[in-house]
Amino acid sequence: GAVVSQHPSWVICKSGTSVKIECRSLDFQATTMFWYRQFPKQSLMLMATSNEGSKATYEQGVEKDKFLINHASLTLSTLTVTSAHPEDSSFYICSAKGAANTGELFFGEGSRLTVL
Amino acid sequence: AQSVAQPEDQVNVAEGNPLTVKCTYSVSGNPYLFWYVQYPNRGLQFLLKYITGDNLVKGSYGFEAEFNKSQTSFHLKKPSALVSDSALYFCAVRARWASTDKLIFGTGTRLQVFP
Repeated sequence: GAVVSQHPSWVICKSGTSVKIECRSLDFQATTMFWYRQFPKQSLMLMATSNEGSKATYEQGVEKDKFLINHASLTLSTLTVTSAHPEDSSFYICSAKGAANTGELFFGEGSRLTVL
Repeated sequence: AQSVAQPEDQVNVAEGNPLTVKCTYSVSGNPYLFWYVQYPNRGLQFLLKYITGDNLVKGSYGFEAEFNKSQTSFHLKKPSALVSDSALYFCAVRARWASTDKLIFGTGTRLQVFP
């Protein structure tokens, strides 16, 4: 199956700093990627849809200036948490639609962000 | 609006016994249905999907699910549970006609298999 790589797996930062998380499709081109956020013991919350070469589409209630998404190539999307605060601490997961367009999404391994 | 319900927060089963994790959905028109599994501090792994065709779908690790249109259900099953099946399971849906590929996830069911 298609492989999606996410980096870093773990990141700890100080409050007020910005953190960038990368999501790469390793063996296929992904015109669309999705960013999810998962709180402890809770389901996945879709944050935004990342489209290559265009602006991301954010879900209601997600601050686009807080969570900057860039999808500059067919294999890379980045999520930047700007001016991070402790309440931004969470598990962030990206996913991509496979090249075969068979419906399922392929997920990265997730990135755990801890803001001190 | 599309939605998925997983009525059980946790399912406990003894190793060797059959397991069922429930999922019901609501979507306009025909659905695409999926099951994913998540191990601690990991991303989601695809288990199986229903797109069209046979209502009984077989997936990875011996799991299967049955699409029941009249009951709008897509329960995940396995004939004989293993301790290593213990994980968090998510059901997801997407309307076949949808203009986007985003999936709507259920709240997840934690499966605990006891030795």
